[in-house]
This record gives sequence, C-alpha cells and structure tokens, in this order.
Amino acid sequence: EADIYQTPRYLVIGTGKKITLECSQTMGHDKMYWYQQDPGMELHLIHYSYGVNSTEKGDLSSESTVSRIRTEHFPLTLESARPSHTSQYLCASIPGQLTDTQYFGPGTRLTVL
Amino acid sequence: DQQVKQNSPSLSVQEGRISILNCDYTNSMFDYFLWYKKYPAEGPTFLISISSIKDKNEDGRFTVFLNKSAKHLSLHIVPSQPGDSAVYFCAASASGAGSYQLTFGKGTKLSVIP
Repeated sequence: EADIYQTPRYLVIGTGKKITLECSQTMGHDKMYWYQQDPGMELHLIHYSYGVNSTEKGDLSSESTVSRIRTEHFPLTLESARPSHTSQYLCASIPGQLTDTQYFGPGTRLTVL
Repeated sequence: DQQVKQNSPSLSVQEGRISILNCDYTNSMFDYFLWYKKYPAEGPTFLISISSIKDKNEDGRFTVFLNKSAKHLSLHIVPSQPGDSAVYFCAASASGAGSYQLTFGKGTKLSVIP
C-alpha cells in the first residue's frame, strides 16, 4: 500500500492570501507530480520533480511554485490566491519507471473566495 | 488539443452486467496506457495498465483492450458491482520516448444500479 499524504484536505481562503499545500510520501520515490483538476475535466500536470533540487513546470501554466528540498516532501505554494485558483490539487509519485504504478494522494480541495 | 479523449461523460449499467468504458488517443508516441478509478474527494487509484506490445490485459473483473491501429482502448468490467460506481480516467504516456509524464482524459462517471 502506498503512503502519500496531502494536507490540508479542504481549504477555504480569501483572495490575496499566501498558501502552501503539503505533499509527503514515505516510499522514497524520486519522481513526484502535482496535478490540478476541475470537476468533469482531466487532470492537468502543473509541476513535477525527478529528485531533490529538481523541479519543472508541467503542461498547464500555473502561478504556483514548488520546491523539493527533501525526497519525501514536495510542497506547492501560491503567493497570492485568486478565485481562479479554486480547484482540486492532487499530488502523486512513482518509484522509478513510468510503467510503475503512479500513486496519488487524497487531494486538497481549494476554494478561494 | 486533447490527446486522450473519453467521449462519454457518464455511463449507467445494471448490477451484474458488463460495463464498457472507451478511450481514444491521438498521439502516436503513446505506448503505455492506464486506467484509474476516482471516488469523490479522494485521489485516483490505479486499476489496470497495458503496454502497446499487448492487445489485452486482464486482472480479475477488469480487462483492458488496446487497438493500436484505431488508437482506441477500452476497459471492461464484468460483472459490474455497485462499488464500481466512480469516475474512471484513461491515461497515456510515451514511456519509450523517455517521458515520465501521464496525459489524462476527462473521465467517465460510471453508475452501477443495484
């Protein structure tokens, strides 16, 4: 069973606030991903990391930033939240090859008022 | 332009019958395909995958078929159970090209009626 955690599970905040969504995994996986998903839509890759100190932007442009200082931790930060950031954010990791199973966390449902 | 398409947003099936979920793709570089199941307020969970060197992969009640010439894959669930009610996402990658990224479809919401 995979152990990948996301906090908070739900967050409602006002416009202009700075927020950090946490993602941690205890499996020692090198490759980690952040996806954004709106209801009825596909998962869009917004950031990924293939190891410590390595981060890249995904296909979907995002105003968020990420960091990877430790293997197990891949937080996502929004410096100034806006209503357009309202979405579900999903974190995932894989052990090595893409043909390995990609494990997902439970997600953070973000609402910006 | 969507590279992975799930054209049916929803599907309703009677318990015990077969559920067939379809997925089409346009990128010829895709060589590895996965199906994920997602319940509300949870992350997707992996169901079954298939490599482009195969045309069928089976795991219990779940079977995935791949038709490379048509760029089409389908997930069969037999027999369908009420607990199968969820959103099913098709995903693809170009693993042979060294990509570690997945491209997802929009999902199909399956409702299994008791």
